Amino acid sequence: DAGVIQSPRHEVTEMGQEVTLRCKPISGHDYLFWYRQTMMRGLELLIYFNNNVPIDDSGMPEDRFSAKMPNASFSTLKIQPSEPRDSAVYFCASRGSGRKDTQYFGPGTRLTVL
Amino acid sequence: GENVEQHPSTLSVQEGDSAVIKCTYSDSASNYFPWYKQELGKRPQLIIDIRSNVGEKKDQRIAVTLNKTAKHFSLHITETQPEDSAVYFCAASISNSGYALNFGKGTSLLVTP
Repeated sequence: DAGVIQSPRHEVTEMGQEVTLRCKPISGHDYLFWYRQTMMRGLELLIYFNNNVPIDDSGMPEDRFSAKMPNASFSTLKIQPSEPRDSAVYFCASRGSGRKDTQYFGPGTRLTVL
Repeated sequence: GENVEQHPSTLSVQEGDSAVIKCTYSDSASNYFPWYKQELGKRPQLIIDIRSNVGEKKDQRIAVTLNKTAKHFSLHITETQPEDSAVYFCAASISNSGYALNFGKGTSLLVTP
């Protein structure tokens, strides 16, 4: 199994540009999570999906952030327009629905907004 | 929202010594408590977890204890090695969320030879 796949691994963009981060969860996993990691705020849960349906987006910082999961093998996190304070590492994670399943993280996307 | 507090934020030990990291949580309905290790520039990786029906769990040099009454849990690493140096995160499940997690702020562990 390839694990959780994220792309791009690094993104440098200018303020005001649209940024799209992509995630492919582990096959068969029902849950997908988007996190943001910064030195100041640590690991923050932004939104999560169950069976492609958004369950809780209360962690999404602003309307500039949106996330979709059009099918079981693909999710996107979009920031439009981007701002310098959005600079962070964005992780996607997935897990199965069994009680003893665990959450696996992708390699992350390091976003720099200039 | 519910919080997970983690202490200390940094910890330096000599190789061979033990390291203990403590976390408290506020959501009394939390029932799953994983610990992740994150090396510099890498993704967080699960090292051990414990569920609310268990008080202690051990895996080689790593152990986790849980006190549900006091709402705190701890990670114990014995016979530390330089390769244990990393940032460690505790987490607690968010009630009624399925399996979403609230994370602590992390502990940067340095093991010196």
